[in-house]
Amino acid sequence: QKEVEQNSGPLSVPEGAIASLNCTYSDRVSQSFFWYRQYSGKSPELIMSIYSNGDKEDGRFTAQLNKASQYVSLLIRDSQPSDSATYLCAVNWSGGSNYKLTFGKGTLLTVNP
Amino acid sequence: DAEITQSPRHKITETGRQVTLACHQTWNHNNMFWYRQDLGHGLRLIHYSYGVHDTNKGEVSDGYSVSRSNTEDLPLTLESAASSQTSVYFCASSRDSYGYTFGSGTRLTVV
Repeated sequence: QKEVEQNSGPLSVPEGAIASLNCTYSDRVSQSFFWYRQYSGKSPELIMSIYSNGDKEDGRFTAQLNKASQYVSLLIRDSQPSDSATYLCAVNWSGGSNYKLTFGKGTLLTVNP
Repeated sequence: DAEITQSPRHKITETGRQVTLACHQTWNHNNMFWYRQDLGHGLRLIHYSYGVHDTNKGEVSDGYSVSRSNTEDLPLTLESAASSQTSVYFCASSRDSYGYTFGSGTRLTVV
């Protein structure tokens, strides 16, 4: 069974620090990767997508993908208390018309003022 | 603005009753998905659809059904509600292989 693994946390960082969230996945042939943020009691919202090896930056967020190691990470620079949430990693195993996401269980991030 | 809406937001039902959760999107997305989210399990795929009259089973489809008669709607039906189906249900839609947009969720309690 294809799996997406995340450390459940909680990960606690001080305000202004870099938060590093990690995700591993079981199928080397995975196509695309996503990070979602979910505040308590709310629905997940897409914050980053990455499709090829390397880094992708968007504001304070950087996604990193290493397909050989089956590893994707999310870095949050200058962490703010408003970043406190659960971060979900999601993987699309198939290309083309068989698109659907498998989610990890999420990592709870707490940013302390 | 385009959106994806779920109704109801909260529902309490009795064991054995049939329940239908609504999902309506105005993004004109072909792909629609239903997930349930439970502590310790994360988001698990129930059913999904790639277009009108197309439906597919996900990893936890037993006891659930869907139908897709138009682009905008994918209602989720619990045939005979069980306490194990108490959960938060999320509908999502996407265009092609881009990331999902989620609805606000339905919290279902089966008593």
